[in-house]
Amino acid sequence: NAGVMQNPRHLVRRRGQEARLRCSPMKGHSHVYWYRQLPEEGLKFMVYLQKENIIDESGMPKERFSAEFPKEGPSILRIQQVVRGDSAAYFCASSFRRGDQPQHFGDGTRLSIL
Amino acid sequence: LAKTTQPISMDSYEGQEVNITCSHNNIATNDYITWYQQFPSQGPRFIIQGYKTKVTNEVASLFIPADRKSSTLSLPRVSLSDTAVYYCLVGDSTGGFKTIFGAGTRLFVKA
Repeated sequence: NAGVMQNPRHLVRRRGQEARLRCSPMKGHSHVYWYRQLPEEGLKFMVYLQKENIIDESGMPKERFSAEFPKEGPSILRIQQVVRGDSAAYFCASSFRRGDQPQHFGDGTRLSIL
Repeated sequence: LAKTTQPISMDSYEGQEVNITCSHNNIATNDYITWYQQFPSQGPRFIIQGYKTKVTNEVASLFIPADRKSSTLSLPRVSLSDTAVYYCLVGDSTGGFKTIFGAGTRLFVKA
């Protein structure tokens, strides 16, 4: 399966804990995008990364959220000190070139905060 | 990125043709029109993309009038498994990485 892989598919955290969401892009893709989706809503752009660089993080909350895409390994979306409002589905997409459409999406990580 | 407007929901029956129209009055010259499909608990899946006139693939057709201010996704002979949310997006490659999803159209196919 050469598609975008996200793990875990489901993640449960208590308020104040940290959540780490992983995304392995399609083979050969070096551009990764993270989105958040609340129930009954469309996906909202959070951050765009290229290997070892954050290109655009304009959609990411200023505090508690961070993202990285190291030279080796998956992209990581990290949420520190989670709160109930962080409960959502987080999707990762990848593309071969910057701005390519379509982007290829994973099946998301569903984060639940107790 | 041009804003898009779609119906919130649509109902259909198996075997019917479904047409979902998207309005994008402020579409720019370089913008393409892209449609995605999303099933519950899954990520969006690319359906079709076009710039003008008509595009057809094995899944759907996309009709774009000359003024490009709207587009229509046509799904022939829908089945129950076509029940999903359909998103219309407009943009070009320079700004395309900030793919902007609206609320989409919830299509419900009945037996």
